[in-house]
Amino acid sequence: EPEVTQTPSHQVTQMGQEVILRCVPISNHLYFYWYRQILGQKVEFLVSFYNNEISEKSEIFDDQFSVERPDGSNFTLKIRSTKLEDSAMYFCASSSRTGKNEQYFGPGTRLTVT
Amino acid sequence: GDSVTQMEGPVTLSEEAFLTINCTYTATGYPSLFWYVQYPGEGLQLLLKATKADDKGSNKGFEATYRKETTSFHLEKGSVQVSDSAVYFCALIQGGSEKLVFGKGTKLTVNP
Repeated sequence: EPEVTQTPSHQVTQMGQEVILRCVPISNHLYFYWYRQILGQKVEFLVSFYNNEISEKSEIFDDQFSVERPDGSNFTLKIRSTKLEDSAMYFCASSSRTGKNEQYFGPGTRLTVT
Repeated sequence: GDSVTQMEGPVTLSEEAFLTINCTYTATGYPSLFWYVQYPGEGLQLLLKATKADDKGSNKGFEATYRKETTSFHLEKGSVQVSDSAVYFCALIQGGSEKLVFGKGTKLTVNP
């Protein structure tokens, strides 16, 4: 069964450093998403991406964040200058055109900012 | 804004017990409702969904009915197994939005 994959599974970085989290969505999917879950809190929406553009974003997704689909398979989330409060589990998800509301999630990347 | 409230966990049951995890929502309009499950070390998996009032979603013995009058989408299973041990998330999505709004999750442990 096709699945969303994410790398790395765990990333440790120092405050102020840039990080790039990588995702490979399901191959025929057209809609891509990032969510995060700070330890002990709810899973929160960050951004959705379709047709090489951001289609929706939350207040969390400020100028420190960016997303990109650099080739036909990868979808990345970049955090330009990490803060301690960016420590969280980051989930990528994707959905197809016909099943737009059914989002399929990857296993997550745990980001630890020290 | 839209929100989802789930019963606080953790929930611990014996194998073959009946499971209910309560979920209520606050939303304008008519959202679609979902249950996701997260097994240890894995990502969120869609368990079931319902897109309109009185719809019943079902999968793997789990069921939930979209109750507009009580704004609820409670998850039930008649006989749980050890393999059902996981964290369960209730979520909604509004028409016209792509944003899933999640509850906090309920951790279920099933003992043999």
